[in-house]
Amino acid sequence: EAGVTQSPTHLIKTRGQQATLRCSPISGHTSVYWYQQALGLGLQFLLWYDEGEERNRGNFPPRFSGRQFPNYSSELNVNALELEDSALYLCASSIQWSSGNTIYFGEGSWLTVV
Amino acid sequence: GNSVTQMEGPVTLSEEAFLTINCTYTATGYPSLFWYVQYPGEGLQLLLKATKADDKGSNKGFEATYRKETTSFHLEKGSVQVSDSAVYFCALSGGGYNKLIFGAGTRLAVHP
Repeated sequence: EAGVTQSPTHLIKTRGQQATLRCSPISGHTSVYWYQQALGLGLQFLLWYDEGEERNRGNFPPRFSGRQFPNYSSELNVNALELEDSALYLCASSIQWSSGNTIYFGEGSWLTVV
Repeated sequence: GNSVTQMEGPVTLSEEAFLTINCTYTATGYPSLFWYVQYPGEGLQLLLKATKADDKGSNKGFEATYRKETTSFHLEKGSVQVSDSAVYFCALSGGGYNKLIFGAGTRLAVHP
């Protein structure tokens, strides 16, 4: 069974541009989560989508946005890129949210802003 | 709010040494607790979890017990291998917050 898949693996953008990252959850999972892992820092929660709706959002500016499609895949969009947006962006999925449910992570997308 | 505190790394051990990585948490209610591992250049993998007090999670020789009285979930392994070198993250979910909250991570380096 396929795990969480993310694309692209690596992305290089110029400051001020927009980046779009994509995620396909594990089959049967309806919840998708996005995390940012900046170099030397921990994992920061970005967004949670379930059944097409944004359910929770971390402390990030509005230029970080996303959506979930009817097939439960998801996009993360980062507008007006800044140098400090350079990070590994991890997507994860689970069956419908419950605190005991395991969240499975993808391999991540490396975003470099120059 | 909820939070997770892990011991700072890096932790450097020789092969076959005993490993303990401390993790304590702050949460309301009854969260679930997790350990994830991140090998170099890869995403996160679930290592083990516990969903209620006194539960012991175990996998690949690693163990952790959910201690509500000390709000802890320390990770242990009796004999580490070079292949265990990675970053280990303690995390919690629930306890009033519908998201997974991570500790800062602890880097483990095991030498032959």
